[in-house]
Amino acid sequence: AQSVAQPEDQVNVAEGNPLTVKCTYSVSGNPYLFWYVQYPNRGLQFLLKYITGDNLVKGSYGFEAEFNKSQTSFHLKKPSALVSDSALYFCAVRDIASGSARQLTFGSGTQLTVLP
Amino acid sequence: DVKVTQSSRYLVKRTGEKVFLECVQDMDHENMFWYRQDPGLGLRLIYFSYDVKMKEKGDIPEGYSVSREKKERFSLILESASTNQTSMYLCASSPPGQFYEQYFGPGTRLTVT
Repeated sequence: AQSVAQPEDQVNVAEGNPLTVKCTYSVSGNPYLFWYVQYPNRGLQFLLKYITGDNLVKGSYGFEAEFNKSQTSFHLKKPSALVSDSALYFCAVRDIASGSARQLTFGSGTQLTVLP
Repeated sequence: DVKVTQSSRYLVKRTGEKVFLECVQDMDHENMFWYRQDPGLGLRLIYFSYDVKMKEKGDIPEGYSVSREKKERFSLILESASTNQTSMYLCASSPPGQFYEQYFGPGTRLTVT
């Protein structure tokens, strides 16, 4: 079975400061990992993904994420937060060894608030 | 750009009613998905389909059914709506293959009274 945990329901950060949104995963094989963002009253938008290769993945809007296999983590980061980054962020995992390879498992979400 | 549309943004139904939520994608994607989103629970998969007339149960299929008669359209059906089905419903689609991201519609906020 595959699972993903987002340990923080809420993250607050001041504008201009670096931000981190945490994600850890559990899979039996190798993971495909994704980050999505949901702005108020809108559907989920894809931010970035890790499939293979470099552990540091760059995505949309200046976001990046670091895959750490030993810590089974895939934290989302941005060097300088903007007020417009305030949104709900979801981490998701797909276990490529799973019989349910078509399915993504999503975390519970982290509400990011960037304070002006 | 991929476009996934859902028939309604907001819907209010009464307990016991039969409810249809429609989803259409315009990118010829094989895979389509229905999720419900609840605060603190994230997204939970209800059903998905990997081809016309093919469907598989997700994590929480009870009380729901689906229909996929055409490749571009995937319908979620609540046979007899209940108050615990009040939620945000999200449809998504993706190309075949494990490594593609899913593309989401704007969501339907369903309230069952």
